[in-house]
Amino acid sequence: GQNIDQPTEMTATEGAIVQINCTYQTSGFNGLFWYQQHAGEAPTFLSYNVLDGLEEKGRFSSFLSRSKGYSYLLLKELQMKDSASYLCAVSNGQNFVFGPGTRLSVLP
Amino acid sequence: DAGVIQSPRHEVTEMGQEVTLRCKPISGHDYLFWYRQTMMRGLELLIYFNNNVPIDDSGMPEDRFSAKMPNASFSTLKIQPSEPRDSAVYFCASSLVSDNYGYTFGSGTRLTVV
Repeated sequence: GQNIDQPTEMTATEGAIVQINCTYQTSGFNGLFWYQQHAGEAPTFLSYNVLDGLEEKGRFSSFLSRSKGYSYLLLKELQMKDSASYLCAVSNGQNFVFGPGTRLSVLP
Repeated sequence: DAGVIQSPRHEVTEMGQEVTLRCKPISGHDYLFWYRQTMMRGLELLIYFNNNVPIDDSGMPEDRFSAKMPNASFSTLKIQPSEPRDSAVYFCASSLVSDNYGYTFGSGTRLTVV
């Protein structure tokens, strides 16, 4: 079977750091992706991990542990525009399985 | 590149009517995916194509749904007859075979069946 879990909602304050967790159980693994989706818009690519460890891209970092089936997205220096849903997605080599998404609200 | 282009952006139709959603993938992308997104079920894969050939349609809800890709630059998703429970945002996405940047999504079609 294929299962991806994320917290449903999170709230954080502007300027703070927030970590969004994702756990997965999938048949086959060819990489883990994080997407950002603003309300009413399409998902857009944020990050990609295929090996264990941390990938850093500016204010955003993503971590992967394949043995634990675990990833997190770290957002630093939060801005109001970071209020969005964050989707964890696992590639099984043929297509993606998306998690339910975490809705992040950034408060002033 | 103009990205993945979907039409229409919004569609409101009456129950029982036929609905056709359209997608133009990014030129050169080998894979095309149709997803449906609802609050309750999130993003669900309906069907995907590789080089215009349907590879996996196990996500298509029922026989009322059909998808075609007659050439590398065009795909359609058809619902006939439509039902209120089909109301959702339908996304098309495309990707390269070895693309480590995942999918590129279109802007989506918001379908409302009344």
